[in-house]
Amino acid sequence: AQSVTQPDIHITVSEGASLELRCNYSYGATPYLFWYVQSPGQGLQLLLKYFSGDTLVQGIKGFEAEFKRSQSSFNLRKPSVHWSDAAEYFCAVGALRSGGSNYKLTFGKGTLLTVNP
Amino acid sequence: ETGVTQTPRHLVMGMTNKKSLKCEQHLGHNAMYWYKQSAKKPLELMFVYNFKEQTENNSVPSRFSPECPNSSHLFLHLHTLQPEDSALYLCASSQVSSGELFFGEGSRLTVL
Repeated sequence: AQSVTQPDIHITVSEGASLELRCNYSYGATPYLFWYVQSPGQGLQLLLKYFSGDTLVQGIKGFEAEFKRSQSSFNLRKPSVHWSDAAEYFCAVGALRSGGSNYKLTFGKGTLLTVNP
Repeated sequence: ETGVTQTPRHLVMGMTNKKSLKCEQHLGHNAMYWYKQSAKKPLELMFVYNFKEQTENNSVPSRFSPECPNSSHLFLHLHTLQPEDSALYLCASSQVSSGELFFGEGSRLTVL
């Protein structure tokens, strides 16, 4: 069974600073990996996804993530954080369900990002 | 219209009440999902519907009863809930063959 670990429960950065949120996964085959963001009182929004190909994936809002198979990691990065990036970030790993229909997404517990002015 | 709409956004109910949560998607997707989000816990998948047929029930107590009348609408009927059922209930949709989920804003449920 797949699993996701987000080691950092809460991260605080200053506006304009760089950001890296960590995500480690466990899955026996090639994983499908996702980062979602949840602003207060909102649902989850997809930031980016990795299915195959280039291991550096670009997403919305200036975010990127790099898939490193050797480290079982899919860390999220942003070169310069804006105050509006304050939110909770969820990493997820997806695997096809038996029967080959939907993907089963397993989410991490999330990392809460606080941005100081 | 936003992609996935959930109503009500907030709901307070007693343990003996019966209420329903509603989800509607305008994205032409053919799969819909209910997730439970509790504080300090990962998102928990509750139910999956593909083409209106339930394909997964993740050991959810029978006091939660889903209904999917068509590919665009999903309901979660609630009765005799417990205080520990208080949580944010998120609806999502996708194409069956896609791993990309589109979430609604959630229904915040408080059980007194």
